[in-house]
Amino acid sequence: DAKTTQPNSMESNEEEPVHLPCNHSTISGTDYIHWYRQLPSQGPEYVIHGLTSNVNNRMASLAIAEDRKSSTLILHRATLRDAAVYYCILRVVSNAGGTSYGKLTFGQGTILTVHP
Amino acid sequence: DAGVIQSPRHEVTEMGQEVTLRCKPISGHDYLFWYRQTMMRGLELLIYFNNNVPIDDSGMPEDRFSAKMPNASFSTLKIQPSEPRDSAVYFCASSDRDPSYEQYFGPGTRLTVT
Repeated sequence: DAKTTQPNSMESNEEEPVHLPCNHSTISGTDYIHWYRQLPSQGPEYVIHGLTSNVNNRMASLAIAEDRKSSTLILHRATLRDAAVYYCILRVVSNAGGTSYGKLTFGQGTILTVHP
Repeated sequence: DAGVIQSPRHEVTEMGQEVTLRCKPISGHDYLFWYRQTMMRGLELLIYFNNNVPIDDSGMPEDRFSAKMPNASFSTLKIQPSEPRDSAVYFCASSDRDPSYEQYFGPGTRLTVT
C-alpha cells in the first residue's frame, strides 16, 4: 500500500492556525489524498480530500505540493475541540472480486494537542 | 439521520465464546466497511461490502471471523470462538459513493475478551 509519513505529535495554542504536514513520496497519478481525524473515544471523521488542486471546506484547507509528494492540512483557528489524531491517507485503487474500488489504509496519524 | 449505529457499545466476554457485533449503515449508503482498531496495529480494514455483497475480505484475520450483510440496513461481524487477542474497538462505516470518498464511521464497539 502507498505510504504516508506524518509527525507523531504536534501542539498548538487555541485560536492559532495549525499546519499538519504529510509526506507521500510514492504517490501515483490516480491516488487521492484524504484526511480524517479521530476525536477521543469516537470513530474517525472525514475532514477533506483532494487530488492536485488546493481544497477548502468548512472544516479545513488542504494544500497540495505541485509535485504531489507532500500535502498540508490547515486548521485556520484551532479550538480545543480540534484536539484529535489526524490521519493523512492515500486513496489507492484496489481490485477485488472483479470490482475496482478505492481503498483507504490508515497509518498512525499525528496527535494534535491544543492548549487553551 | 442518526448516522451509523453500532451495537453493543461495549462487550465483555470469555475466551471461547461467540461474539456478534451489529451495524446499521446510513440509509441509502451502498458501501459498508468493518474496521478494527488496536494500539499495536492501528485502524485496519477487515472487510468491505458493496450492495450487500462482500467484495474484499482480505483483511479478515482468520476463519474465526465472519461477516454478513443480509440486507441493505444491517450487517454483522461474528467471532467464533473469541480469543483475548481479539480485544479491540471494532468500527463500522458506510459510504454512498465510490467507497473511499467520505466514509461515515459509527461510534464503535469496544470488545474485551478475558
